[in-house]
Amino acid sequence: AQTVTQSQPEMSVQEAETVTLSCTYDTSESDYYLFWYKQPPSRQMILVIRQEAYKQQNATENRFSVNFQKAAKSFSLKISDSQLGDAAMYFCAYRSAANAGKSTFGDGTTLTVKP
Amino acid sequence: DTGVSQDPRHKITKRGQNVTFRCDPISEHNRLYWYRQTLGQGPEFLTYFQNEAQLEKSRLLSDRFSAERPKGSFSTLEIQRTEQGDSAMYLCASSLTTDTQYFGPGTRLTVL
Repeated sequence: AQTVTQSQPEMSVQEAETVTLSCTYDTSESDYYLFWYKQPPSRQMILVIRQEAYKQQNATENRFSVNFQKAAKSFSLKISDSQLGDAAMYFCAYRSAANAGKSTFGDGTTLTVKP
Repeated sequence: DTGVSQDPRHKITKRGQNVTFRCDPISEHNRLYWYRQTLGQGPEFLTYFQNEAQLEKSRLLSDRFSAERPKGSFSTLEIQRTEQGDSAMYLCASSLTTDTQYFGPGTRLTVL
């Protein structure tokens, strides 16, 4: 079974600085998708960024980028120029390309942004 | 595009009562998913539908849980004889085939 591990329960960053959130996963599959979701307090989960495992190029969405290391099964999220609105719980998720039903989530990292 | 909606947003019930939640996916999304999220943890998969067919159920989905998607549009999740351990946020998500899942705001269930 696939597992997703986020080893940092809490992180903090100064506004305008850069922070990296870690995620590792375990799978025997070669074709899959990885996601970072953001869940602000009492608000719904939204997609931040997505990475297809077959793509070597790291995904980027504005201030958000990933460092995808397939061999190491690592998928970290870098947030540049952090803003107060980035404060939220961040979840890393895995989904198999063969079984596109469930996604497996980590337990999340709570990000605090200090003004 | 109005996004995924869920109703109710909050539900308080007494132990032993039945509850039903509704999820309306993004229109034209053929896949619909249910997850459960407890405080401080990530969402856990419960079940998913492709159109009206329920294709996978988690071991977490005990006999007291049932989900339906009768016309391939909205879905309901029913919990019978609720227990205090059922208290959680129930999240619904939808996607177009194998694409990204988009989540609703969730229904927070409190069982007293």
